[in-house]
Amino acid sequence: EDQVTQSPEALRLQEGESSSLNCSYTVSGLRGLFWYRQDPGKGPEFLFTLYSAGEEKEKERLKATLTKKESFLHITAPKPEDSATYLCAVQRNSGYSTLTFGKGTMLLVSP
Amino acid sequence: DTGVSQNPRHKITKRGQNVTFRCDPISEHNRLYWYRQTLGQGPEFLTYFQNEAQLEKSRLLSDRFSAERPKGSFSTLEIQRTEQGDSAMYLCASSSSRISGDTQYFGPGTRLTVL
Repeated sequence: EDQVTQSPEALRLQEGESSSLNCSYTVSGLRGLFWYRQDPGKGPEFLFTLYSAGEEKEKERLKATLTKKESFLHITAPKPEDSATYLCAVQRNSGYSTLTFGKGTMLLVSP
Repeated sequence: DTGVSQNPRHKITKRGQNVTFRCDPISEHNRLYWYRQTLGQGPEFLTYFQNEAQLEKSRLLSDRFSAERPKGSFSTLEIQRTEQGDSAMYLCASSSSRISGDTQYFGPGTRLTVL
C-alpha cells in the first residue's frame, strides 16, 4: 500500500525565515510526486509535479526537490501570504492515476 | 472561469437523508476524480471516471455512495441514508490524459455537515 508521511505537521515561521517541508513516501513504482497548496475551506491548488530523482522545480519563493524516498519543499524568505497547508501526493506508475496524499504541513508565516 | 466547479458549496442535512453533489470538470478533461477530506487529513480517493466509465472505486466507498458521469461531462456523487461520519469536504478533480501531464486540478469542494 502506498504511504505518504509529511513533517512537520505544523510550522511557524517569521517573515523572511527560510525553511523546508519534508514528504517521505513509499510507493511500488512512482509515476509522479505532486505538491499542492490548500487554503482553509478551499480545494487544493496545484504547485509542482516531480517525476524522477534529482529533479527540481521552482516557483517564486518555492522550490521542490525529489530523491528516491522523499521530497522537500523549500520556502525561501516566506511572506505571510505563503501561509497555507502544503500537501504532498504520489501517483503510482501502474493501474489508474489516482493520488495518495499525506496529511499535510500547516505553515503559518508571521509578519 | 474555466476551472473545476462544484455545487453546492455547503450542504447541511439530517441523518438519514439523501444528498447529491455535482461536479463540472475543466472542459475537455476526460478524467474525473472524487476525493473526501476530513479535518486535519489529506484528501482520500473515492472514485475515478475516464470519460463516462467508472474505472475504480475505493474500498472506502460503501454501498450508500454512488457516482455517475453521464456522457462523460459533469459528474454527480450521491450519498444515501447519510450518517454523521459522512461529514467531510467532498472534492472533485479533473485531468486530461492528453495534456498537462495528467495533472489533477481540484474544485473548491462541497462541505457536508450531517446533523
